[in-house]
Amino acid sequence: NAGVTQTPKFQVLKTGQSMTLQCAQDMNHNSMYWYRQDPGMGLRLIYYSASEGTTDKGEVPNGYNVSRLNKREFSLRLESAAPSQTSVYFCATTGVPSSYEQYFGPGTRLTVT
Amino acid sequence: AQSVAQPEDQVNVAEGNPLTVKCTYSVSGNPYLFWYVQYPNRGLQFLLKYITGDNLVKGSYGFEAEFNKSQTSFHLKKPSALVSDSALYFCAVRDRSYNTDKLIFGTGTRLQVFP
Repeated sequence: NAGVTQTPKFQVLKTGQSMTLQCAQDMNHNSMYWYRQDPGMGLRLIYYSASEGTTDKGEVPNGYNVSRLNKREFSLRLESAAPSQTSVYFCATTGVPSSYEQYFGPGTRLTVT
Repeated sequence: AQSVAQPEDQVNVAEGNPLTVKCTYSVSGNPYLFWYVQYPNRGLQFLLKYITGDNLVKGSYGFEAEFNKSQTSFHLKKPSALVSDSALYFCAVRDRSYNTDKLIFGTGTRLQVFP
């Protein structure tokens, strides 16, 4: 089992370009999350999906959109990238609601110039 | 709103010495508390959690954490540090307010273990 996978691992964009970050899990989990990690800020939640077909905004949703394509896949789209979106992006999943441990992907390092 | 605070940006400790990484929390109701570790260029890995029961929780790699309700703290501890424990550590609390269910993370503490 691969767990949680993310593509790409690295990406450089110019201001105004668009791109989609992909996340897939083979853990049969219902809930999926997108975070960004910036120095001194910890992890901040961008969007999450409690189950297939539902998405909700997190702490910092502006400039992003998401799609929960099916139970396995949760993508994050930047429509018009800005330098402030330079960050490391992590996807995570949660299985059993009573335990609520989150499992993280390896991350995507995005630089916007 | 639920929150956690990690008051130290960095903790330095000599190998073989005990280590403590501090975390305090602010929640309404009973807290679900977590510790995660991040090694360089990797995603976060779950270490341990407190939901209910014994205040001393044991987790992976010899780590443990003590839940203290009166001090609203959940400090991470290890009796004897290893150089390989050097990493970034995050405390987190489950937030179930306002029809949401998500984790709120602290800003992280970098642990440096010197040989």
